[in-house]
Amino acid sequence: DAGVTQSPTHLIKTRGQQVTLRCSPISGHKSVSWYQQVLGQGPQFIFQYYEKEERGRGNFPDRFSARQFPNYSSELNVNALLLGDSALYLCASSLGSGQTKSPLHFGNGTRLTVT
Amino acid sequence: AQSVSQHNHHVILSEAASLELGCNYSYGGTVNLFWYVQYPGQHLQLLLKYFSGDPLVKGIKGFEAEFIKSKFSFNLRKPSVQWSDTAEYFCAVWGYNKLIFGAGTRLAVHP
Repeated sequence: DAGVTQSPTHLIKTRGQQVTLRCSPISGHKSVSWYQQVLGQGPQFIFQYYEKEERGRGNFPDRFSARQFPNYSSELNVNALLLGDSALYLCASSLGSGQTKSPLHFGNGTRLTVT
Repeated sequence: AQSVSQHNHHVILSEAASLELGCNYSYGGTVNLFWYVQYPGQHLQLLLKYFSGDPLVKGIKGFEAEFIKSKFSFNLRKPSVQWSDTAEYFCAVWGYNKLIFGAGTRLAVHP
C-alpha cells in the first residue's frame, strides 16, 4: 500500500511569497495533521483535520491555513513567507482523530527554503 | 504546559554497545507516549508506544522503553546497537489531538 505522499519534495520561495503544500493520506485514513520541523528541533503541530473539519490548531500565526478535501487529501498554505518559515513540513494521516485508536503515519515531508 | 525533554542531542556509539536515550515529559492528563525514529532520508516511523498496562514496552528492531510514572520518564533502550540504528530518535506524548515531540537525539553508530 502507498504511504502518505507529499508534494513537492523541495521548494524554494522568496520572502513575501505564498506557498501551497499538498498531502495525500493513506487510503482509508480520514485524519490529516501537519507539522513543522525546523532544523535541530522536533516537529511542531500546526493543524489537524478530520472528516474535512479542523480539529486542532497549533501556535502558528494566521498566515498558516489548511483545508481537507472530500477525498481526504489536504493542503497547507502559508502566506507572506518569512525566512523563519524555512523548515521541513510533515504531513501525517491516521484512521481516526485520536492517537489511541490509530497511530500517525508520516510522509517524507516537503523541504521549504525561504530566501 | 505540555512538553517533552530529551536529554542528549547527540550520541555516538560503537557497534554492540548498549543504548539508553532519556526522555522526560510534562503532561497532566492520561499519558500516551511514543518513540519515533527517522532514518537518513526517510520518514518518521513509529518504534513503540505506551498507552497503559505493562510499563516495559517492546518495539520493533529490538528496541524497548520503560515508563516510570514517578519520574515522568520514558527512556528508550537497546542492548546492542548496530550501524543500521544510525538515525534521529524522537520521544513524543499525545495530548489534545496532537503529538508533542522532544527536540530529538541524533545517534551515530560506528562499525
